[in-house]
Amino acid sequence: GQQLNQSPQSMFIQEGEDVSMNCTSSSIFNTWLWYKQDPGEGPVLLIALYKAGELTSNGRLTAQFGITRKDSFLNISASIPSDVGIYFCAGQLTLDMRFGAGTRLTVKP
Amino acid sequence: NAGVTQTPKFRILKIGQSMTLQCTQDMNHNYMYWYRQDPGMGLKLIYYSVGAGITDKGEVPNGYNVSRSTTEDFPLRLELAAPSQTSVYFCASQGNYNSPLHFGNGTRLTVT
Repeated sequence: GQQLNQSPQSMFIQEGEDVSMNCTSSSIFNTWLWYKQDPGEGPVLLIALYKAGELTSNGRLTAQFGITRKDSFLNISASIPSDVGIYFCAGQLTLDMRFGAGTRLTVKP
Repeated sequence: NAGVTQTPKFRILKIGQSMTLQCTQDMNHNYMYWYRQDPGMGLKLIYYSVGAGITDKGEVPNGYNVSRSTTEDFPLRLELAAPSQTSVYFCASQGNYNSPLHFGNGTRLTVT
């Protein structure tokens, strides 16, 4: 099936450090998305990628759609305390959007 | 603009009870989805709908039913609640295929 492997599972970093997380799959996707989830809330979209090789930035966030269409990464630069949360990758080929298991980010002031 | 609204926020059920999780969206989106999120796991798709009157099974549909009588509403029904259905349930809507999903804030369900 279209399983997504997201890593790392968790990260503990100091404020100001850069963060990198990625997702890989054995299946190809037409769309890769990155969401952030805060406690007690639904996931909120951070970045959407629609084309293989696409590199997109949103403030301190940068994400890329892998050229093979089977992977994507998300970078966060100069982390701040409000970056704390769970980050999910998602890939969509058909209407069935698949999600990674999430990366739990903790930022120490 | 309310977006996607889910009710209730929390619910505790006894084994064998039934309930309906409500979801409504005011964005006139055609596509709607129900996901469940278990601790330490990503979201798993239960059911989805591409428009009023049309529903399809997702990855984990057993034990659930849905209906889509209007564009706005997409309720999820649990007929005989089981402990394995303890989870956080998220409803989402999507305007067009490949556009981002908009999520509700979730319903935390415990079955004991």
